[in-house]
Amino acid sequence: EVQLVESGGGLVQPGRSLRLSCAASGFTFDDYAMHWVRQAPGKGLEWVSGISWNSGSIGYADSVKGRFTISRDNAKNSLYLQMNSLRAEDTALYYCAKGVGATLRYAFDIWGQGTMVTVSS
Amino acid sequence: IQLTQSPSSLSASVGDRVTITCRASQGISSYLAWYQQKPGKAPKLLIYAASTLQSGVPSRFSGSGSGTDFTLTISSLQPEDFATYYCQQLNSYPQLTFGGGTKVEIK
Repeated sequence: EVQLVESGGGLVQPGRSLRLSCAASGFTFDDYAMHWVRQAPGKGLEWVSGISWNSGSIGYADSVKGRFTISRDNAKNSLYLQMNSLRAEDTALYYCAKGVGATLRYAFDIWGQGTMVTVSS
Repeated sequence: IQLTQSPSSLSASVGDRVTITCRASQGISSYLAWYQQKPGKAPKLLIYAASTLQSGVPSRFSGSGSGTDFTLTISSLQPEDFATYYCQQLNSYPQLTFGGGTKVEIK
């Protein structure tokens, strides 16, 4: 079964850091681009970051550029999001998503169930 | 690139034909996808490359358009189709964007 399972969310104070993980199974992980997408409570979807199959192409939304870092470990079938200098506006459900292809130019066909990040003092 | 969806919400009845539009602030060729999201669930890919139906998605869903103007059509609305729909552009990678969403509610 193709599956993505996110972990690492929680309650964190503003200015602190958090690292999200996404464990993939049921497909050849290193054949596909991967992404993080977030959704603030009651709001729409916001693409956060994406990484190509070999980490050669990486992109970030302007709202997180310079604070968040995406990475992947193909040997461990895992995707990560290092989030630094967290702000209240980063509070959201964070989804891991699989691209249909190897580069960032493909739609997202598999999604995890998300991990909640709450930034509050 | 900004994506503007209209309407932001609509009420419709089972069996209705429903059309949702997505307008890009600049041309994106056919690099557009549509997703469906139900409350408490992850989004589901419906259409990619503007008009290609994702495997397993019912044929009552269709997409059209290129350049700046795109349309998602549900030919005969079913009870399970009440959800929020999002468009996404993949042209300006490595920065991708979603539209604001269209909520389809029961009339």
